[in-house]
Amino acid sequence: QSALTQPASVSGSPGQSITISCTGTSSDVGGYNYVSWYQQHPGKAPKLMIFDVSNRPSGVSYRFSGSKSGNTASLTISGLQAEDEADYYCSSYRSSSTPRVFGTGTKVTVL
Amino acid sequence: EVQLVESGGGLVQPGRSLRLSCTASGFTFGDYGMSWVRQAPGKGLEWVGFIRSEAHGGTTDYAASVKGRFTISRDDSKSIAYLQMNSLKTEDTAVYYCTREFRGYSSDCWGQGALLTVSS
Repeated sequence: QSALTQPASVSGSPGQSITISCTGTSSDVGGYNYVSWYQQHPGKAPKLMIFDVSNRPSGVSYRFSGSKSGNTASLTISGLQAEDEADYYCSSYRSSSTPRVFGTGTKVTVL
Repeated sequence: EVQLVESGGGLVQPGRSLRLSCTASGFTFGDYGMSWVRQAPGKGLEWVGFIRSEAHGGTTDYAASVKGRFTISRDDSKSIAYLQMNSLKTEDTAVYYCTREFRGYSSDCWGQGALLTVSS
């Protein structure tokens, strides 16, 4: 069962905007609006940042937004801050014997 | 405060078994599905499996990599979810996270993780 594809790393300067892509297939990202995004700081548990493609849970900064086009979902972080430096993972429902799948992960560096 | 606490991790030899527990507090445990997600050292997240709430049948689904070896169960009277792991392999070495299912396909609450090391 292959993981969703994310860039290994993305970087940006404070105040800039960055976008992380998450590419799947019509059996997962493209076929369902069940994409979520997680932030993980070193040594910590992941934190839900976006669910159902573009919805933010209570308490998550408005600077985080999600979208989807075809088989690719995206997470955009606007007004980049030092605290945003972390690993980010996408996840999607998949119509297969393994109904949930994570992305390969992206390390975000704030320059 | 919503909280999940994993326990039962440790060092185990290949081929042996181990059971992890996830004790929940701060919410009505029986109303939620629960998932397990693992992360091998220095690697990404891997979904292991989940169990639906009893209201949704209490059924389970598993990743192909653990199907037939791992079993997820729950005791709503104690607010505990379990991950029974049999026929362990070295590649099962990971931090195992317990998570609360949110809207069916996301995890909105995570435990601190339990480390399982499979080695001879």
